[in-house]
Amino acid sequence: GQQLNQSPQSMFIQEGEDVSMNCTSSSIFNTWLWYKQDPGEGPVLLIALYKAGELTSNGRLTAQFGITRKDSFLNISASIPSDVGIYFCAGQGGSEKLVFGKGTKLTVNP
Amino acid sequence: DGGITQSPKYLFRKEGQNVTLSCEQNLNHDAMYWYRQDPGQGLRLIYYSQIVNDFQKGDIAEGYSVSREKKESFPLTVTSAQKNPTAFYLCASSQQGRYSPLHFGNGTRLTVT
Repeated sequence: GQQLNQSPQSMFIQEGEDVSMNCTSSSIFNTWLWYKQDPGEGPVLLIALYKAGELTSNGRLTAQFGITRKDSFLNISASIPSDVGIYFCAGQGGSEKLVFGKGTKLTVNP
Repeated sequence: DGGITQSPKYLFRKEGQNVTLSCEQNLNHDAMYWYRQDPGQGLRLIYYSQIVNDFQKGDIAEGYSVSREKKESFPLTVTSAQKNPTAFYLCASSQQGRYSPLHFGNGTRLTVT
């Protein structure tokens, strides 16, 4: 079945630093989604990407759909304490089911 | 405000008991999903339903059951056959259509002792 590798597993950064995380797939995806999950809450959709090469921003967040359709990255610029949480990528290929990465846990030190 | 409501937030049960988790949405979404989340793991799909009175098994359906009698509701029953039921359970919904993003509820943490 389709699998996603999300890296890094965890990140410890200082407030104000930029962050980058990525996901790679063993197969082609038609959709990439990025979610953020706060402790004890459900994931919230940050950015949705539907086209190879697409670059989309949402405030300080920027995500790109890789040209090969097998990868995507998420950048966070000028991190702040409320950026703390777990970030998940998710991809959707030929089947209709979403495949999720295992998440990147972000810690921001003030 | 439209959204997905899961209840209760925390649930405690004794081993051997069945337990039902509630999920209600007022987003008028056709599709609904149940995921299980364990520490350090991604989300694993238990069951999903694309229309009323129809549902399909996901990747880890053993020990679980669902019903979809109404568009708004998709309850999940964790049966005594589920070997490791303690987990965080997330319900989600989406518009019909292949690439519609999922919208999640705030989860139910089930602890079985």
